[in-house]
Amino acid sequence: NAGVTQTPKFRVLKTGQSMTLLCAQDMNHEYMYWYRQDPGMGLRLIHYSVGEGTTAKGEVPDGYNVSRLKKQNFLLGLESAAPSQTSVYFCASRPVMGDDEKLFFGSGTQLSVL
Amino acid sequence: DAKTTQPTSMDCAEGRAANLPCNHSTISGNEYVYWYRQIHSQGPQYIIHGLKNNETNEMASLIITEDRKSSTLILPHATLRDTAVYYCLQTGAYNTNAGKSTFGDGTTLTVKP
Repeated sequence: NAGVTQTPKFRVLKTGQSMTLLCAQDMNHEYMYWYRQDPGMGLRLIHYSVGEGTTAKGEVPDGYNVSRLKKQNFLLGLESAAPSQTSVYFCASRPVMGDDEKLFFGSGTQLSVL
Repeated sequence: DAKTTQPTSMDCAEGRAANLPCNHSTISGNEYVYWYRQIHSQGPQYIIHGLKNNETNEMASLIITEDRKSSTLILPHATLRDTAVYYCLQTGAYNTNAGKSTFGDGTTLTVKP
């Protein structure tokens, strides 16, 4: 059982380049999330989705776009990468069950923008 | 946004109990308290959660105050492998920010020999 899978695990971009991070979950979870974590800091919510075809802004959405065309996938896009977007990106998913909605995290993507 | 507050760092001697506090004064009646920990740069892992009753599992215990405005995570016999950043969250599916799970900066717990 794979859980939450993020690809790629590492990426180096030049300023102005674009890329897409893929998050896939095989647990049939309704909710999915993208977080970023800068060195020595906590996780900050970028965007999230409460179901297929829906997305919403988190705490730090600027410079990112997302799509949830399929329930199991949540894509994070950077249209024009900036050095300030150098960070570790984590994807997470969780079910909607009322009394048990724990988050499951992927292993992260280390992104460096030069 | 509803965010919890935690001390920045704490130390604990190996083999002793580690008690990590969290304030969640804005928690609403249908929101749960969840605890996670992050070891090194791995993705955070779930530890325990509760609504209003105290909870215990194989990893930890969770004590929630009667007014639900704060809680304490207890690691009964801390080991060096418990050195990590610990996060508490308040979350629920049915409030106005349904699904919006935000983290604070957490508590860095250092277990010392």
